[in-house]
Amino acid sequence: KAGVTQTPRYLIKTRGQQVTLSCSPISGHRSVSWYQQTPGQGLQFLFEYFSETQRNKGNFPGRFSGRQFSNSRSEMNVSTLELGDSALYLCASSLVEGQGRETQYFGPGTRLLVL
Amino acid sequence: QKEVEQNSGPLSVPEGAIASLNCTYSDRGSQSFFWYRQYSGKSPELIMFIYSNGDKEDGRFTAQLNKASQYVSLLIRDSQPSDSATYLCAVYTFGNEKLTFGTGTRLTIIP
Repeated sequence: KAGVTQTPRYLIKTRGQQVTLSCSPISGHRSVSWYQQTPGQGLQFLFEYFSETQRNKGNFPGRFSGRQFSNSRSEMNVSTLELGDSALYLCASSLVEGQGRETQYFGPGTRLLVL
Repeated sequence: QKEVEQNSGPLSVPEGAIASLNCTYSDRGSQSFFWYRQYSGKSPELIMFIYSNGDKEDGRFTAQLNKASQYVSLLIRDSQPSDSATYLCAVYTFGNEKLTFGTGTRLTIIP
């Protein structure tokens, strides 16, 4: 079974631009979560989508948004990029089993550099 | 108090010895606990998960959970240089619908 895929793998943008990242979950997985990872802050939760609905959201400004499609693929968008948005953006998918027993599998990440 | 706390390390362990990684969490309602390994420049890779109090063994890895003490640990027996990585503890709390990660412990196995 193919793993989680993310595109693009690397991205360079300038301040003020916007960016869209894509994530394809493991086949059959319905939940997609997004994380931002930086050396100083570690892994921080952005949001989670399940069946095209945002189920939870982390403490990030409204410039960060996402969506999920009917095939469970997900995109996240960051508008008006700032230097501090430079990070590794990770997508994780899980097969929702209920009872809080969700095992998340990570994609390779998209490394975003904002200049 | 952070929701999930780990000693950032670095933790240095001789090859062949046991590496012990610790994690504490603040929410008593937390139900599921995960250990991920992350090599430099790579994404986190799931090593183990544990839901019930006690020990869970998988090869050289043993996860230990003590819900009363809000403590979860990972033991790596017969440590190998390839075990050198950052180990992330993650906690899932029903109702939060999200995984909360610790900042990770950097482990170095010395040949």
